[in-house]
Amino acid sequence: NAGVMQNPRHLVRRRGQEARLRCSPMKGHSHVYWYRQLPEEGLKFMVYLQKENIIDESGMPKERFSAEFPKEGPSILRIQQVVRGDSAAYFCASSPLPREWDTGELFFGEGSRLTVL
Amino acid sequence: GDSVTQMEGPVTLSEEAFLTINCTYTATGYPSLFWYVQYPGEGLQLLLKATKADDKGSNKGFEATYRKETTSFHLEKGSVQVSDSAVYFCALRSGGSNYKLTFGKGTLLTVNP
Repeated sequence: NAGVMQNPRHLVRRRGQEARLRCSPMKGHSHVYWYRQLPEEGLKFMVYLQKENIIDESGMPKERFSAEFPKEGPSILRIQQVVRGDSAAYFCASSPLPREWDTGELFFGEGSRLTVL
Repeated sequence: GDSVTQMEGPVTLSEEAFLTINCTYTATGYPSLFWYVQYPGEGLQLLLKATKADDKGSNKGFEATYRKETTSFHLEKGSVQVSDSAVYFCALRSGGSNYKLTFGKGTLLTVNP
């Protein structure tokens, strides 16, 4: 299966710890997007990255959250000093070159579910 | 800002029943509208889309029509199967951005044999 791969699928952290979520895009895709789904809400855009560049982070909380997509390896969403309100499902999506955007299609992973105790 | 409101779930149907999942939206301009589906153990995948008023998107027996006058994009299927059991998400992409999607909360559909 060459789909978007996310890990871990489930992550439990205590308040104050760090959470790292990883995302490997589909083969041939160079654009990665992170979305968050809080309980009882729809998915919300967080950040858009290309290799070694953050293109749009307008949906990221201003503190404790960061994202990267290095030249080699997966994209990482990092949450420092987690709080209970960070408990959510975090979805990664990828797409090919921007010209494909006319289809509006994003390819999503299964999501990583973070629980903060 | 943009928002999507979809039918609360869960929805439970018997095989071959008719399905409707309601979706209404609020957006500036003329958004593109989508239905995504998440089958158990898989990521979200695009089910169908419509990019302008009165367009009908269709795929796998599912249909949805972009109704500008009622700002709606209801998902329908005439005869559901057990394999249609999944979570369905309505979403929009407004004209101001070519990559941000706004999603509804999702509706869990369970189809019993």
